[in-house]
Amino acid sequence: GQQVMQIPQYQHVQEGEDFTTYCNSSTTLSNIQWYKQRPGGHPVFLIQLVKSGEVKKQKRLTFQFGEAKKNSSLHITATQTTDVGTYFCAGGKTGANNLFFGTGTRLTVIP
Amino acid sequence: DTGVSQDPRHKITKRGQNVTFRCDPISEHNRLYWYRQTLGQGPEFLTYFQNEAQLEKSRLLSDRFSAERPKGSFSTLEIQRTEQGDSAMYLCASRAVKQGRGYGYTFGSGTRLTVV
Repeated sequence: GQQVMQIPQYQHVQEGEDFTTYCNSSTTLSNIQWYKQRPGGHPVFLIQLVKSGEVKKQKRLTFQFGEAKKNSSLHITATQTTDVGTYFCAGGKTGANNLFFGTGTRLTVIP
Repeated sequence: DTGVSQDPRHKITKRGQNVTFRCDPISEHNRLYWYRQTLGQGPEFLTYFQNEAQLEKSRLLSDRFSAERPKGSFSTLEIQRTEQGDSAMYLCASRAVKQGRGYGYTFGSGTRLTVV
């Protein structure tokens, strides 16, 4: 089963509003990655965070890794219709060679 | 084009039949992964290869599933005696791991399997 949980499961926002999805792991992660999957598409890599407390930005997207390396967040400022899709976090664990994907947050942007 | 190719894109098969999927990863990537994704869920790990060696298999991978990566190039995933519960999107991904540092996965477009 899923070891990484995300909230909310769904989010509908008006275009221009901000959006945040939260990712929580029951165990400490060695790193966390974020992916975006458009409807009918496949996951596309966005970013990887490795360090405790790390914050990275990509234009309107801000990614954060918690101090305890058990949680992460993705914040989108001023959403656009092109941001529509499902956002997955995926955690890596020391000693494991695969990623544990979260349950995903499906974002709908209303024009 | 993602750089990771999967074939076929769609497969409809009758229950009990065998199916085989193919994945061609990015040539510079030394690791290849198979994941399964059902509707509304995140991808679930099935197995991974480093070069030609299959190094890890998930408990999801029953004895009806087998994966190979001959010569460390393309990979195949075979499902024998398919069941309706096998219906899902099968995703292949590759990544580079260099000097102990891993990079993001590049996923293929997937093979959507429907067992009727």
